[in-house]
Amino acid sequence: SQTIHQWPATLVQPVGSPLSLECTVEGTSNPNLYWYRQAAGRGLQLLFYSVGIGQISSEVPQNLSASRPQDRQFILSSKKLLLSDSGFYLCAWSTGLAGFNEQFFGPGTRLTVL
Amino acid sequence: AQKVTQAQTEISVVEKEDVTLDCVYETRDTTYYLFWYKQPPSGELVFLIRRNSFDEQNEISGRYSWNFQKSTSSFNFTITASQVVDSAVYFCALAQGGSEKLVFGKGTKLTVNP
Repeated sequence: SQTIHQWPATLVQPVGSPLSLECTVEGTSNPNLYWYRQAAGRGLQLLFYSVGIGQISSEVPQNLSASRPQDRQFILSSKKLLLSDSGFYLCAWSTGLAGFNEQFFGPGTRLTVL
Repeated sequence: AQKVTQAQTEISVVEKEDVTLDCVYETRDTTYYLFWYKQPPSGELVFLIRRNSFDEQNEISGRYSWNFQKSTSSFNFTITASQVVDSAVYFCALAQGGSEKLVFGKGTKLTVNP
């Protein structure tokens, strides 16, 4: 069966510090991968998605970036965190396009920027 | 533009009551997909159901049922005989056919009291 892992589970970082969140999927090949952010009291916002190694699409301009160095690995990064980057970050995978396939979510990383 | 509205921010019921979570969507596309996800306190989103725009048949899964009505652009979710374990935030989401983008509503927080 497929599983999705995210780490760390929680993170407290000072403003201006770098960020690296990792997501890995097991039990499937060539998944579509997604990064979402959930701010307090709001729905999920799609940040990035990837349909293959090295292929990254950005949905929202911001100081975050994403990379996919391996088929089942998706990394969210920042060189300098802002207060507004605080939130709950969720990674998800699907077997194909969002419209045709359900997405399966990881346990999330709760990021607090102070 | 696509939009999902969940007008009920929070709902509180007593165990064994029936409860309906409303979802209204906006899209100009004729092919689209609607989803419901459950987010328990642990934070991980759990997929519940996917419907496509060509299938208005209502669906029942145990205590859960979904009412899809294109005429009112609604995809409502009913929990029958609610239980404490149903307490969670529930998200409705919309995807255009062939798109990678899943647009989420802001969620409805359901609290089921014993």
